Amino acid sequence: GIQVEQSPPDLILQEGANSTLRCNFSDSVNNLQWFHQNPWGQLINLFYIPSGTKQNGRLSATTVATERYSLLYISSSQTTDSGVYFCAVDHGSSNTGKLIFGQGTTLQVKP
Amino acid sequence: SAVISQKPSRDICQRGTSLTIQCQVDSQVTMMFWYRQQPGQSLTLIATANQGSEATYESGFVIDKFPISRPNLTFSTLTVSNMSPEDSSIYLCSVGTGPYEQYFGPGTRLTVT
Repeated sequence: GIQVEQSPPDLILQEGANSTLRCNFSDSVNNLQWFHQNPWGQLINLFYIPSGTKQNGRLSATTVATERYSLLYISSSQTTDSGVYFCAVDHGSSNTGKLIFGQGTTLQVKP
Repeated sequence: SAVISQKPSRDICQRGTSLTIQCQVDSQVTMMFWYRQQPGQSLTLIATANQGSEATYESGFVIDKFPISRPNLTFSTLTVSNMSPEDSSIYLCSVGTGPYEQYFGPGTRLTVT
């Protein structure tokens, strides 16, 4: 099956710093989403981005489908950005809705 | 997006017992799914909850252990049967709102003693 690898596994930042999280996938996908899991366990939908670039405030994401990777950029990080960031893909010829998750990047932002 | 609620939010259960988790959505949705997140791990899909028919289970998950119901387009239940400590996890339901994005409920944190 498809492999989804995220890097780095852990990241510690000082408040105000910028960061880039990466998601590599081993096969073509028809859906790619980034999620943030906050310390209370809630998964928050950040981006639906199977290709191209999107921006939402301090966050932006780029997916290069032909090269099978996606990047999540966090600028001017805040302590509330702490948590686990997951990349998830839907693999197959049609959109099944079945997401395969990477192992996540655990981000800690220090004040 | 959709507003998703789950009950209970957390529970502590004895081994050998069963727990039924409810997932309620504020609008009709086509796709509903159940995921498991073991401690410190990523999310794994358990099954697709099909309205009006049997759920579709992923490899490694069986109906006897995780029976699922979906009586309508806004509600589903997942039962964790004959629990053991290895079932201690967060269980999350998700819904697909057209056409592709998925949204997750707040999760049910289960501890089995």
